[in-house]
Amino acid sequence: EAGVAQSPRYKIIEKRQSVAFWCNPISGHATLYWYQQILGQGPKLLIQFQNNGVVDDSQLPKDRFSAERLKGVDSTLKIQPAKLEDSAVYLCASSSTGTGMNEQFFGPGTRLTVL
Amino acid sequence: AQSVTQLGSHVSVSEGALVLLRCNYSSSVPPYLFWYVQYPNQGLQLLLKYTSAATLVKGINGFEAEFKKSETSFHLTKPSAHMSDAAEYFCAVSGSGSARQLTFGSGTQLTVLP
Repeated sequence: EAGVAQSPRYKIIEKRQSVAFWCNPISGHATLYWYQQILGQGPKLLIQFQNNGVVDDSQLPKDRFSAERLKGVDSTLKIQPAKLEDSAVYLCASSSTGTGMNEQFFGPGTRLTVL
Repeated sequence: AQSVTQLGSHVSVSEGALVLLRCNYSSSVPPYLFWYVQYPNQGLQLLLKYTSAATLVKGINGFEAEFKKSETSFHLTKPSAHMSDAAEYFCAVSGSGSARQLTFGSGTQLTVLP
């Protein structure tokens, strides 16, 4: 079974530029998550999708971050414009359902550096 | 509201020694608890999870954890450390209903000394 795929693995941009990350979850997983992991911290949930609908985006900085999952499969997270404090690893995860007890499977992440 | 506190951001043990990584949680609903491991430049991998069945949970790679409600703890242990156990470990909590979001601790970096 293929795992969660993410691209690119690394991205370096200058502040005020735009960037987009892509995630393809495990086949058949209805729930998809995007996390931000700042160096030295645990992952923090940015947004949760159930199929193509948003379940929770309370911690997404909506003035600069956006995410979509148009066909209920893969997803894109965008930052526009980027700030220095957005430097982090962006992790995508998926699970078969969105209940609290189900394991989330994580992709390798995209490491973003904003200069 | 739920939160996780991991005591000790860095833990060093000798190869073959006991590994003990501490995790305390706070949750307004009966919790589900998880330990994840993260190797350099990789995503998180589930070690084990507690979902209200047995309080002693066995996971992969010889790790286990015990849920202690009275102490609100879910410490991770392994009897004998191996060099390959060197990684960062995250404890996480979730619940049911509106509290189902997974909340992570800040992580513990485990170093295994030869």
